Amino acid sequence: EVHLVESGGGLVPPGGSLRVSCAAFGFSFSSYEMTWVRQAPGKGLEWVSYISESGQTTHYGDSVRGRFTMSRDNARNALYLHMRSLRVEDTAVYYCVKGSWIDDFGQGTLVTVSS
Amino acid sequence: DIQLTQSPSAMSASVGDRVTITCRASHDINIFLGWFQQKPGKVPERLIYAATTLQIGVSSRFSGSGSGTEFTLTISSLQPEDSATYYCLQHFTYPRTFGQGTKVEIK
Repeated sequence: EVHLVESGGGLVPPGGSLRVSCAAFGFSFSSYEMTWVRQAPGKGLEWVSYISESGQTTHYGDSVRGRFTMSRDNARNALYLHMRSLRVEDTAVYYCVKGSWIDDFGQGTLVTVSS
Repeated sequence: DIQLTQSPSAMSASVGDRVTITCRASHDINIFLGWFQQKPGKVPERLIYAATTLQIGVSSRFSGSGSGTEFTLTISSLQPEDSATYYCLQHFTYPRTFGQGTKVEIK
């Protein structure tokens, strides 16, 4: 059974940086593309970023491109999202997602950007 | 970027009703569209991918249709547990994009 566990969320001031992580279980992590999706409080789903199986190819949404970096460590079955120059509007639950077609969601980790 | 527009944004229907939600894409996305259900306080779950393929384990009262720029999600007989917000997602190109969501309530 696919199990995705996010961690690293928390409170960070505007302009700050944070790294959120995702531990993957129950599938061959290195064989799958991965995605981050976020959801601001009371709002809809927003696609954030994508990474290929090897980690060599990434794509980003317009609102985070240039500020967020997605990476992975296939030896550790781990996925990362490095966020810098954070803005109040980046406040959201960040979901780790299996696949580029959005197969399975983790439970999410809340990132709050506030002074 | 490809924009997805869902209609309606919200609706109310009775148990047993047939419910249809539409998702329109700003460009041709072939059949590369998925549908997701999110119940209050819960994680989203995929219902359908590639426009018409039902996710394993999802009730057969859910169905998807369409191609190109117009797609529909149909619930054949609405049940109380279907009260949720539904989102479409294009998986044709990057960046991926979601529709704004359709909130379905039970009368």
